[in-house]
Amino acid sequence: EIVMTQSPATLSVSPGERVTLSCRASQSVSSNLAWYQQKPGQAPRLLIYGASTRATGIPARFSGSGSGTEFTLAISSLQSEDFAVYYCQQYHNWPPWTFGQGTKVEIK
Amino acid sequence: EVQLVESGGGLVQPGGSLRLSCAASGFTFSSYNMNWVRQAPGKGLEWVSYIRSSSTTIYYADSVRGRFTISRDSAKNSLYLQMNSLRAEDTAVYYCARGLGYYDMWGQGTLVTVSS
Repeated sequence: EIVMTQSPATLSVSPGERVTLSCRASQSVSSNLAWYQQKPGQAPRLLIYGASTRATGIPARFSGSGSGTEFTLAISSLQSEDFAVYYCQQYHNWPPWTFGQGTKVEIK
Repeated sequence: EVQLVESGGGLVQPGGSLRLSCAASGFTFSSYNMNWVRQAPGKGLEWVSYIRSSSTTIYYADSVRGRFTISRDSAKNSLYLQMNSLRAEDTAVYYCARGLGYYDMWGQGTLVTVSS
């Protein structure tokens, strides 16, 4: 089973700042990585797949990069609606499909 | 409207059973692979089970294999999860999610609480 590790667990930022979230896989997942955003009381929403492709309707301020075992989700200028928990997920070796433990982006 | 709507959650005693449903609308349900993903209170996401569009391939997480059964009925545009021998650690919000690999559509979730 591939273990996904996200860092940091919590990120305190101010609106308008640029943020970067990290995700590491225990072995190579090539570019088979997705990012999701989850707000309190809501279902997760797909942001990025294929490590760098934005899902339909996702603003350009969200970008993904990386391959192999190291990945990054960047938000260029944090908006109020971006405060949420972000999860990475690998779909290279399955089953199981595995998620990271999440990074919470909170208001500083 | 394109959506997934789960139902069937509730409070059940340890050792009990529950059947979750997920109603799909607005897209060709029969063409899509489907999954159940759960989230324990205050915790992260855990994939639970997968079923191929044709129902010919099914997978389960180790934590539920032998206790849970996934199925689908394309005539009813519905996905199901039969959960038996429930344990306290199965307490979670259960989401149905569309896709093979990454999940581009999720339902709103249904809460399952296993407690005496």
